[in-house]
Amino acid sequence: AQSVTQPDARVTVSEGASLQLRCKYSSSVTPYLFWYVQYPRQGLQLLLKYYSGDPVVQGVNGFEAEFSKSNSSFHLRKASVHWSDSAVYFCAVSISNNRIFFGDGTQLVVKP
Amino acid sequence: GGIITQTPKFLIGQEGQKLTLKCQQNFNHDTMYWYRQDSGKGLRLIYYSITENDLQKGDLSEGYDASREKKSSFSLTVTSAQKNEMAVFLCASSINGPFNQDTQYFGPGTRLLVL
Repeated sequence: AQSVTQPDARVTVSEGASLQLRCKYSSSVTPYLFWYVQYPRQGLQLLLKYYSGDPVVQGVNGFEAEFSKSNSSFHLRKASVHWSDSAVYFCAVSISNNRIFFGDGTQLVVKP
Repeated sequence: GGIITQTPKFLIGQEGQKLTLKCQQNFNHDTMYWYRQDSGKGLRLIYYSITENDLQKGDLSEGYDASREKKSSFSLTVTSAQKNEMAVFLCASSINGPFNQDTQYFGPGTRLLVL
């Protein structure tokens, strides 16, 4: 069975600092991997997704994520966060034509 | 571009009441989804539909009904609201699917509170 774990419920960083949000998945095959962001009182929006190829995938607003097969991870990174990045970030995994599973989310708080 | 509209934005119900949530999309997407989001938790799939009049159960379908009246609309019914229930219901759509690499586009949600 596939599953996804986001070990950090809440992450607080200062504006301008670098960011890493962790995501670990469990799957017998390499899944499709996604990061979504949810701003307050809005639905989820796709940041980036990965299927194959270069393990570092670029997304919107300066976000990137790195796939690691050996670590079963797909961590999200940003070099310098802005206050507007404060939101809840969801990692999700899916096997082709199977269910998509969302992690519990990580709330990012960016301090001025 | 397109948009997903969910109505109502807020829904307050009474215990035992039947409540209906509506979702419209103008992407012309084939697949639509209903998710439930509880505070501090990820999304759980309630129902999905791959085309008009199709209906597939998700992991959390008990206590809910759904209806895909036409390609652009997908409604969800809470058959008997539970006292003190509080959750956000998110509607989504994808061009093909279900659950392949296509991006899912989400509506803003309907916030449910049962008194």
